[in-house]
Amino acid sequence: DAKTTQPTSMDCAEGRAANLPCNHSTISGNEYVYWYRQIHSQGPQYIIHGLKNNETNEMASLIITEDRKSSTLILPHATLRDTAVYYCIAGHTGTASKLTFGTGTRLQVTL
Amino acid sequence: NAGVTQTPKFQVLKTGQSMTLQCAQDMNHNSMYWYRQDPGMGLRLIYYSASEGTTDKGEVPNGYNVSRLNKREFSLRLESAAPSQTSVYFCASRGGGRYGYTFGSGTRLTVV
Repeated sequence: DAKTTQPTSMDCAEGRAANLPCNHSTISGNEYVYWYRQIHSQGPQYIIHGLKNNETNEMASLIITEDRKSSTLILPHATLRDTAVYYCIAGHTGTASKLTFGTGTRLQVTL
Repeated sequence: NAGVTQTPKFQVLKTGQSMTLQCAQDMNHNSMYWYRQDPGMGLRLIYYSASEGTTDKGEVPNGYNVSRLNKREFSLRLESAAPSQTSVYFCASRGGGRYGYTFGSGTRLTVV
């Protein structure tokens, strides 16, 4: 699986958009980009994933560059409850595949 | 509610004791995984099972054994616990295709 690089921490004001970047310059053509978050000590929670096209769901938007070497997770209106560690992972989709979690980005949403 | 259930939630062991962490999912997922998370670190894969009847080592398998009892259940066993195994253990499952993992709420294990 391709290695990903994320900033260690970020701050965001409540109500503003949080834009979390991720570099995955060695991603292969059939690897998806997955985003998870971990709030406090809970189990990680799936947010969104994508291959080439931008994706949006009720939680977030995922913007993947055309060369697929980087992506950005966007939380459009961050709230205090979005304070968490966000993990960007590149991985395959087969049943034998496994995801490798790095240390992620710690997002602090403030008043 | 559908999801991944882990038991116990908390456990304290003495060095050398053994125990089994239980994990069950009710989503008919094929793949199941065991991760550990040490303070301030990301998750590291211990073992995984791509399908019923198969298991494979992950990044940090030493000191652990697993059993995929059936499609629903995947257990993790510590035969002789060591203080270095103090950690939070997460079980996860994954359906087929490109979908993500569903994680359990974790087991917080302390070995003294």
